[in-house]
Amino acid sequence: SQKIEQNSEALNIQEGKTATLTCNYTNYSPAYLQWYRQDPGRGPVFLLLIRENEKEKRKERLKVTFDTTLKQSLFHITASQPADSATYLCALAEGGSYIPTFGRGTSLIVHP
Amino acid sequence: DAGVIQSPRHEVTEMGQEVTLRCKPISGHNSLFWYRQTMMRGLELLIYFNNNVPIDDSGMPEDRFSAKMPNASFSTLKIQPSEPRDSAVYFCASSSGTGGSPLHFGNGTRLTVT
Repeated sequence: SQKIEQNSEALNIQEGKTATLTCNYTNYSPAYLQWYRQDPGRGPVFLLLIRENEKEKRKERLKVTFDTTLKQSLFHITASQPADSATYLCALAEGGSYIPTFGRGTSLIVHP
Repeated sequence: DAGVIQSPRHEVTEMGQEVTLRCKPISGHNSLFWYRQTMMRGLELLIYFNNNVPIDDSGMPEDRFSAKMPNASFSTLKIQPSEPRDSAVYFCASSSGTGGSPLHFGNGTRLTVT
């Protein structure tokens, strides 16, 4: 069966460190993968997209990698801040449908 | 742009009652999605519209659920009759529809069925 797995345990890190979140998938051939941020009581907000033929994407303090051999994406936040505390969701879509399917998200807590 | 607007923000109803959730997508977006989020199952796609036409409703749990998009600026999700297991946060999202376009989510409707 198809699965998208994100660590269900919260990630606790100290301010200034790099946070790394993982998204693993099985039985998918994604055309692209997206990362979203969700704050309590709000809808997810899009952060970054990476396509199947790309290895890495950066945007300010954010970096995403995509390894279609390992079937894994890593999401990095450098110089993390307490304001980065939120739940981060990965979503992938296969060619043809382009309908995103979401992982359950990982909670990030950045301590001052 | 005001973003995707959903109403109501909260809905509390009794089992057996009809519930209607509403969504106004971003102007110019031609794709609309309804998702449901629970702690147990995360974000699940219920239905996807493209140019106001339902394309994929395989996620609609059962016949008690129905969705319409009468025009490009309005969609409804109806549950009749509602059951306690329908309690969740329901999100509407819109996008420009091209592959990889980000989804823009509303802030959801928190539904509680007692």
